[in-house]
Amino acid sequence: SQQGEEDPQALSIQEGENATMNCSYKTSINNLQWYRQNSGRGLVHLILIRSNEREKHSGRLRVTLDTSKKSSSLLITASRAADTASYFCATGVPDKFYFGSGTKLNVKP
Amino acid sequence: NAGVTQTPKFRVLKTGQSMTLLCAQDMNHEYMYWYRQDPGMGLRLIHYSVGEGTTAKGEVPDGYNVSRLKKQNFLLGLESAAPSQTSVYFCASSPTGEIHEQYFGPGTRLTVT
Repeated sequence: SQQGEEDPQALSIQEGENATMNCSYKTSINNLQWYRQNSGRGLVHLILIRSNEREKHSGRLRVTLDTSKKSSSLLITASRAADTASYFCATGVPDKFYFGSGTKLNVKP
Repeated sequence: NAGVTQTPKFRVLKTGQSMTLLCAQDMNHEYMYWYRQDPGMGLRLIHYSVGEGTTAKGEVPDGYNVSRLKKQNFLLGLESAAPSQTSVYFCASSPTGEIHEQYFGPGTRLTVT
C-alpha cells in the first residue's frame, strides 16, 4: 500500500488565491518531500522537511509537518497560472520509497 | 549539465518483444532509480541502485531487470513485454540515500500492444 496520500485529488482556484494540499502517511519518516510535475514532464523537487521540523518556507511555498498526525500540508500563496501542475508528497527509504497519487492543481488566469 | 536524460522518449512494442531503456546522469550521483507512472497514480519504484555494480528490487520489480555497470548509467530491461507494462517510465538519481532528494529525467512513454 502507498505511504503517502494527497488530498484533495483535484483543486481549481483563481490566480492570486492560495492553494493548500495535504498529505498523509503511515509509518515513521526521516523526512518528507514535495514534488511538482507539469503535464508530460518529469517530477521536480520543491521542498524537503525533516522529521524534527514543523514548518519550512521557500519563496511562495510553505510546508508544515505534524508527525503526531502523520500528515503534511503544502501551501502555495498568491498562485499563478504557471503553478498549474500535479503535486506529490514522497517519503521513505530506497526500497520503500513511496509517492502519493498526487493533487492536480489548476490555476485559472 | 544535462542532469538526467532518458532514451528513448517514446516506444511501441508488441507483446513478447524486449527492449532496454537507458538512463544517464552527469551529476556523479550514487543512487539511481526506475519508476513507472500509470494514469492518475503516483510513481511506483521498480528497481534502484545504491552504487556502481549494485541493484535492488523496489515495489513492483516483476517483469523487469536492471544493470548499473557504470556509475552514470542505469539500464532498465523488459525481457518479454506485456500490455500491463504500458506506462510512463521515469529515471531519477540522488546524491545520497538518506536525504533522497531526487532528480528526474523527462520520462519514456512505452506502449505495449
